[in-house]
Amino acid sequence: DAGVTQSPTHLIKTRGQHVTLRCSPISGHKSVSWYQQVLGQGPQFIFQYYEKEERGRGNFPDRFSARQFPNYSSELNVNALLLGDSALYLCASSLRSNTEAFFGQGTRLTVV
Amino acid sequence: GENVEQHPSTLSVQEGDSAVIKCTYSDSASNYFPWYKQELGKRPQLIIDIRSNVGEKKDQRIAVTLNKTAKHFSLHITETQPEDSAVYFCAASGDYGQNFVFGPGTRLSVLP
Repeated sequence: DAGVTQSPTHLIKTRGQHVTLRCSPISGHKSVSWYQQVLGQGPQFIFQYYEKEERGRGNFPDRFSARQFPNYSSELNVNALLLGDSALYLCASSLRSNTEAFFGQGTRLTVV
Repeated sequence: GENVEQHPSTLSVQEGDSAVIKCTYSDSASNYFPWYKQELGKRPQLIIDIRSNVGEKKDQRIAVTLNKTAKHFSLHITETQPEDSAVYFCAASGDYGQNFVFGPGTRLSVLP
């Protein structure tokens, strides 16, 4: 069991740039969610996808978008990066929409 | 929307003592309550969870209790060990179980 894998692990971007983060769920898991974790705080929900359809969206601006592919992997895209977007971005997968969720190691994004 | 509060924010206990972390939630429709442990620089790891049709669940030294009427749930760790030192997050979600709302976290330190 390879677990949830995310790439890249670390990323430095400049304000105004665009970033794409990637997530591969545990084999067989069809649900993927994205969270933003600012240092010292709990993760905040951004998106959930199940069977390639968006099932939920958190309180984030339209600069944030995501999609899920036929193999259930997922991408999170952030446009027009702001300094405040600096955070650990976590992906979580689960077998179905409302079962236990397992997190990846995250992508540490730094916007300078 | 859902709001999850968590107390205390920091907790220090002597090795072998018990630790209790409490969370309250606001949305009576929430029906799934996981607890995650996050060590410094690592991914959140699911340690125990409980659904709203159950009042208590135990797994070795870890137990969770849920009071639906009062809308609060608690994590109990007995016989604490130094490796229990970490940040613990509670979360709540509804039918689409991955739209977790996390508490702000509790930093637990187990002193040898």
